[in-house]
Amino acid sequence: AQSVTQLGSHVSVSEGALVLLRCNYSSSVPPYLFWYVQYPNQGLQLLLKYTSAATLVKGINGFEAEFKKSETSFHLTKPSAHMSDAAEYFCAVSDRDPSGGTSYGKLTFGQGTILTVHP
Amino acid sequence: DSGVTQTPKHLITATGQRVTLRCSPRSGDLSVYWYQQSLDQGLQFLIQYYNGEERAKGNILERFSAQQFPDLHSELNLSSLELGDSALYFCASSVAGLTYNEQFFGPGTRLTVL
Repeated sequence: AQSVTQLGSHVSVSEGALVLLRCNYSSSVPPYLFWYVQYPNQGLQLLLKYTSAATLVKGINGFEAEFKKSETSFHLTKPSAHMSDAAEYFCAVSDRDPSGGTSYGKLTFGQGTILTVHP
Repeated sequence: DSGVTQTPKHLITATGQRVTLRCSPRSGDLSVYWYQQSLDQGLQFLIQYYNGEERAKGNILERFSAQQFPDLHSELNLSSLELGDSALYFCASSVAGLTYNEQFFGPGTRLTVL
C-alpha cells in the first residue's frame, strides 16, 4: 500500500526566507504525487503534481517540488516566503494499480504541515 | 472557488441520528470522491463514484453509505452517528476519475455530533 510521510507537523519561517516542506513516499510502483494547500476554513487547492514527466515541477504561487526517486522524496520549496503562504500543506500519493494498469485516483494524504510565516 | 459545492456548510446533531451531506461536482466532472478530515485520523479517503457507479472504497464505515445520481451530484449518508464521527467531510471531483486527474475540492461540511 502506498503511504506518505510529512516530516514536521509545524514549520515556522520569516517572511522572505526559504520555505522547505518535506515529504517522503512509499510506493511499489512509480507514483503520482501531489501537493495541496488548505487555508483556514477552506477546501484543498492543488499546488502542483508530479506525473512522471519532468522531475522538477513548478506550481502556483511560486512553489516547486523535485521528485527524487533515489530518496523517495517530493519536497516542496519556495525561495521567498510571503505572509499569504501561511496555511496547512498536504503531500499526497495516488493509488496506482501495481500491475501497471489505470487506477482510479484515490489519494493517500500525509498528516499535513502547518506553515507559519513571521513578519 | 473550485466549482464544487457542498451543503450544508455546518451540521450539528446528536448521537444516534442520521444525516445526509450533499455534493455537486464541477460542471463536466464525472467522478466524485468523499474524504473525511479529523484531528486524530487526518485526511482519509472514504469512497469514489464515477458516472453513477461506485469505483473505489476506502476506510468507510458500514454505517456510512453514498450514491451518485444521474445528474452527477452525490450524497453521503451517515447513520447511527457517534461522537467520533465529528469531522470535516470533503467532496472532490475530477473529470474522469483517473489517477493523474486533478481533484477539485469543495469547501467541506463540518459535522458536529453532540
